[in-house]
Amino acid sequence: DAGVIQSPRHEVTEMGQEVTLRCKPISGHDYLFWYRQTMMRGLELLIYFNNNVPIDDSGMPEDRFSAKMPNASFSTLKIQPSEPRDSAVYFCASSLLGRGMRMNTEAFFGQGTRLTVV
Amino acid sequence: GENVEQHPSTLSVQEGDSAVIKCTYSDSASNYFPWYKQELGKGPQLIIDIRSNVGEKKDQRIAVTLNKTAKHFSLHITETQPEDSAVYFCAAKGNAGKSTFGDGTTLTVKP
Repeated sequence: DAGVIQSPRHEVTEMGQEVTLRCKPISGHDYLFWYRQTMMRGLELLIYFNNNVPIDDSGMPEDRFSAKMPNASFSTLKIQPSEPRDSAVYFCASSLLGRGMRMNTEAFFGQGTRLTVV
Repeated sequence: GENVEQHPSTLSVQEGDSAVIKCTYSDSASNYFPWYKQELGKGPQLIIDIRSNVGEKKDQRIAVTLNKTAKHFSLHITETQPEDSAVYFCAAKGNAGKSTFGDGTTLTVKP
């Protein structure tokens, strides 16, 4: 497997524009997470999905942020309208919660999307 | 919810010395504790993990210890090398599926 794939790797956009970040999780994983990383706030969990259903979006900072997972192999994080304070690295991660003994497993992170809003 | 505290925030050691990073967690239901290493320009990558039914785990120069009673766990890196320089994150995870991360430790290994 190629791992978690995020696109684009870098995005520079003007304030007020819509930004869409994309993620392809590892095949077979049932959890997908969106994180934001900044120097000031570290690694923040924005939202996560289980079997394509949003479970907890309490980390989404504002209504300008939205996330979807239309199927098991694709998710998007959209910011509309974007603002300079949204500049950060956005990571997508996926993991598998094993069945039976409910064995937790690690989260596999993508390479991230570096977003700059000017 | 779970709260994870990680110390120190920065750590500088001489090559060959040991490095220790400590984390505490609050939720006794957490049962999985991974450690991630993040190099510049990359996403965090798992380096070692431990489950709540184990007290210690070792993988070459890296070891992790867990004290469930005290709710703390530590990462030990021996014989540090310059390529160990990175940001290290601890995390705690229960059966809800999501991990709670510490704030990270920036480790610098001086040659």
